[in-house]
Amino acid sequence: NAGVTQTPKFQVLKTGQSMTLQCAQDMNHNSMYWYRQDPGMGLRLIYYSASEGTTDKGEVPNGYNVSRLNKREFSLRLESAAPSQTSVYFCASSEHLRVGPGNTIYFGEGSWLTVV
Amino acid sequence: QQPVQSPQAVILREGEDAVINCSSSKALYSVHWYRQKHGEAPVFLMILLKGGEQKGHDKISASFNEKKQQSSLYLTASQLSYSGTYFCGTEADQGGSEKLVFGKGTKLTVNP
Repeated sequence: NAGVTQTPKFQVLKTGQSMTLQCAQDMNHNSMYWYRQDPGMGLRLIYYSASEGTTDKGEVPNGYNVSRLNKREFSLRLESAAPSQTSVYFCASSEHLRVGPGNTIYFGEGSWLTVV
Repeated sequence: QQPVQSPQAVILREGEDAVINCSSSKALYSVHWYRQKHGEAPVFLMILLKGGEQKGHDKISASFNEKKQQSSLYLTASQLSYSGTYFCGTEADQGGSEKLVFGKGTKLTVNP
């Protein structure tokens, strides 16, 4: 039981390049999320998917797109990478969007992205 | 709206106690606490629902003051393994599906 798996773990991009971060969960969760984590800023929500077939913007969506490919997979795409997107990206999932007892958010191990 | 955590950083000696606070300007449905070790994913510690309950997990406990929209995490007789960054996540009480919003974190260092 892997939980939340995201790839790649490390990536270096040149400004203007594009790339996709992949995420898959095996817990049959309905809701999935992408967060970015920057020093001193905590975890900020980029996009989320409340259920299969839906996606919505979070706090910092500019420069990103997402795709909820199926119930298991939720990808994050950077169309034209910028140095400001250098960050650690976490994918996460929960059974439902409204978390509560027995329904918390599980995080992947993170993807370290550097844009030069 | 991001909850506010205080203090930003704490340095303790093994065996000392610490309190980490989390406050929000919104009425809250729930408060979640996570701990993150350097280079790792955040790990869930506990959740508190509105109602002012207090929860415990080994020597780590938390309270939720619904009237003040504040939660506090108490670390008692700290151990080296408690070192890490603690995040609170808050869920607004607005009758619908509200997303979890995290604070900026409190870095806790426990020294021998």
